[in-house]
Parts: sequence; C-alpha cells; structure tokens
Amino acid sequence: AQTVTQSQPEMSVQEAETVTLSCTYDTSENNYYLFWYKQPPSRQMILVIRQEAYKQQNATENRFSVNFQKAAKSFSLKISDSQLGDTAMYFCAFMKRDDYKLSFGAGTTVTVRA
Amino acid sequence: DTAVSQTPKYLVTQMGNDKSIKCEQNLGHDTMYWYKQDSKKFLKIMFSYNNKELIINETVPNRFSPKSPDKAHLNLHINSLELGDSAVYFCASSQWDPTKETQYFGPGTRLLVL
Repeated sequence: AQTVTQSQPEMSVQEAETVTLSCTYDTSENNYYLFWYKQPPSRQMILVIRQEAYKQQNATENRFSVNFQKAAKSFSLKISDSQLGDTAMYFCAFMKRDDYKLSFGAGTTVTVRA
Repeated sequence: DTAVSQTPKYLVTQMGNDKSIKCEQNLGHDTMYWYKQDSKKFLKIMFSYNNKELIINETVPNRFSPKSPDKAHLNLHINSLELGDSAVYFCASSQWDPTKETQYFGPGTRLLVL
C-alpha cells in the first residue's frame, strides 16, 4: 500500500505572501500520478493540481505550482500571492497508474490572514 | 451544471437504521467511487465501479453495499447503522483511461448516527 505523508498539520500565511506545503510518499512504482486537492470549509473537494510521474516538468496552475522530486519522493505545493479564498485544508494524494485508487495524506490546514 | 451531485447533503439517523446515499455524475465518466472521510478528516476509498461493475472493494463491513444502476449513478446503502459510521461520504467519478484518471468529487454527504 502507498503511504502519503503530510508533516505539517497547520500553516498560516499573510495575504499576498507565499506558502509551501510538503508532501512525501512511499512507493516502489515507477508510473503514478500525484494530486493536490483543496477542501474549503464548504467541504467540497476541489482539484488544485496534478502531476504525472513520468514528466520531469513541474506542473503549474495559475498561483499554484509544485516541486516534484521523484528520486526524493517529494511533491510540495507552493501557493503564491495567497488570497483569503485559499483558506482550506489541502490534501496530497497518490495514485498508481491503472489502479484508480487515490491514497490521501492526512491534510494540511492553511489559514490565510488578512 | 453540477458535475457530481449527491443526495442528501446531510443525514441524521438512529443507530440500527438502514439508509441510502445517492450519487449522480453528468461528466460522461464511466468510473465512480465512494470515499469516507472520518472525524479526523482522513479520506479513504471504499468502493469503485467501472461500467456498473465493482472493481475496488476495500475492507469495508458488508453492511455497506454499493449499487450502480448505470454508468452515471452510484448509490451507497448502509444497513444497521452504527455510531462509527458517522462520517462524510464522498462520491467521485473519472474516466477509465490512464491518461484521464483525474477524479472529480461530489459535495459530500455528512452522516450522523445517534
């Protein structure tokens, strides 16, 4: 079974500043996908960004970017120019290719301060 | 417009009762999932159906029975509800295609067993 570890239970950031969330995972697979999902207080699970393990280029979606280090099995999320609407719990998730089963980390609660 | 919808959003019931949660997706996906998020916000997959066929069945008590009448619907029936079943249940869907594997989640159903 894959293990996904998010070592930061909570983080706080000033509006307009940058915050980086860490995620490490344990797998012997070579083909897999990594995701970051956001869960705001509304409870909805929203996809933030995805990364294919065979791609070396780090994924970027507007103010969200990842630092994917395959050898280190690390997949951190950077939120730039933080906005109040970014306040949420962020989950890192792993999926083996052809497995269709997401394994989630424990989540990191991000609070953006005005 | 809703991509993945669940009913009901909230469910409060007594121990021992039987209840169902319904899920529908209009994304044209052929694979649907149920995840459980416990009180510590930990998310874990329960079941997955592809084209009405059960493909993932994690270690879940057999009081939980999923049913997929067609590709767009996946229901979850729970018999003899227990206090420990209190959680948020998320439905998700994706395409059965390694290049389109991203899962999209419904808004969740908060189940409270008294």
